[in-house]
Amino acid sequence: KAGVTQTPRYLIKTRGQQVTLSCSPISGHRSVSWYQQTPGQGLQFLFEYFSETQRNKGNFPGRFSGRQFSNSRSEMNVSTLELGDSALYLCASSMPDRVYEQYFGPGTRLTVT
Amino acid sequence: ILNVEQSPQSLHVQEGDSTNFTCSFPSSNFYALHWYRWETAKSPEALFVMTLNGDEKKKGRISATLNTKEGYSYLYIKGSQPEDSATYLCAPARGGATNKLIFGTGTLLAVQP
Repeated sequence: KAGVTQTPRYLIKTRGQQVTLSCSPISGHRSVSWYQQTPGQGLQFLFEYFSETQRNKGNFPGRFSGRQFSNSRSEMNVSTLELGDSALYLCASSMPDRVYEQYFGPGTRLTVT
Repeated sequence: ILNVEQSPQSLHVQEGDSTNFTCSFPSSNFYALHWYRWETAKSPEALFVMTLNGDEKKKGRISATLNTKEGYSYLYIKGSQPEDSATYLCAPARGGATNKLIFGTGTLLAVQP
């Protein structure tokens, strides 16, 4: 079974631009969560989508948004990028009946210059 | 806000040493606790999920215990090997079966041969 995939793996953007990251969950997994990892902050929860609906949200500004498609693939968008948005963005997927077993993707390394 | 603390922040041991880490979290409205291992350049990998007070889980040389009443979990590694070198993250989940995990900042373990 293929694992969680994320594209792109690396990205360099300029302040003020916007970016869209993509996550394809493991087949059969309908829940997708997004996390941000920065040095010294650890993994911060962004949001979780289940059946195309946002089910949980972390404490991030409205510049961070996401969506989920009918095939469970998810995208995360960050508008008006700031230098502090430079981070590793991870997504994780899980089965509907085993919500506490999350499988992580390799992440997208975003650098904002 | 769920305050999760892990100690120590980093640990350097010799091959063959046994070691342990601590994860502290608020005990109110506890649902489950996860331990993850995150090796450099890889995705976080789930080690254990524990839900009941007094739970003990074991996977090879690694084991974990849980005390939900006082809000802590211990992770033990017996006879550390260089391949155990990684960051070990704990993530408690609060009441309700959601995927909102709040991660600690992790313990970085380096095992020298």
